[in-house]
Amino acid sequence: DAGVIQSPRHEVTEMGQEVTLRCKPISGHDYLFWYRQTMMRGLELLIYFNNNVPIDDSGMPEDRFSAKMPNASFSTLKIQPSEPRDSAVYFCASKEGSQPQHFGDGTRLSIL
Amino acid sequence: KNEVEQSPQNLTAQEGEFITINCSYSVGISALHWLQQHPGGGIVSLFMLSSGKKKHGRLIATINIQEKHSSLHITASHPRDSAVYICALHMNRDDKIIFGKGTRLHILP
Repeated sequence: DAGVIQSPRHEVTEMGQEVTLRCKPISGHDYLFWYRQTMMRGLELLIYFNNNVPIDDSGMPEDRFSAKMPNASFSTLKIQPSEPRDSAVYFCASKEGSQPQHFGDGTRLSIL
Repeated sequence: KNEVEQSPQNLTAQEGEFITINCSYSVGISALHWLQQHPGGGIVSLFMLSSGKKKHGRLIATINIQEKHSSLHITASHPRDSAVYICALHMNRDDKIIFGKGTRLHILP
């Protein structure tokens, strides 16, 4: 199995631009999670889906952030407009039922 | 008060030493997860446990539900064990996870 696949691995863009991060979960996994990691705050849950349905988005910082999961094999996290304080590493993870989560390699986002 | 606390925050030790990293929490959990994050940034799941003890190679994880405490031990530590070790709580009330701030471990050759 290829594991959780995230793209891009690195993204550098100017503030105000739209940023789209992508995630392909492991086939058969019914949960998908988006996390953000910063030096100051560590790892934080942004949103998670169960069977493609958003269950809890209380971790999404503000309306500039949105996430979708149109099907079981794809999810996006979008930031529009982006700000320098959004710079972080964004991780996607998936799991099956009560099994451990599997993490992608992350997307390192820098907003200039 | 934080729901999960890890100690120590940073640990430097010599190769071969026995390492203990601690995680204390104050909420009801269904399971506790130990994660390893190497300098390259990738996160690897080491253990998920809800009671007792688990062992994998030189790594041992224990949890005491009554005391709300878990430990991760590394025997015969090696420089390749240098990483950040993160304790994560699977909450009773939902599917969410709360992460500790991590313990940065550096093993000197």
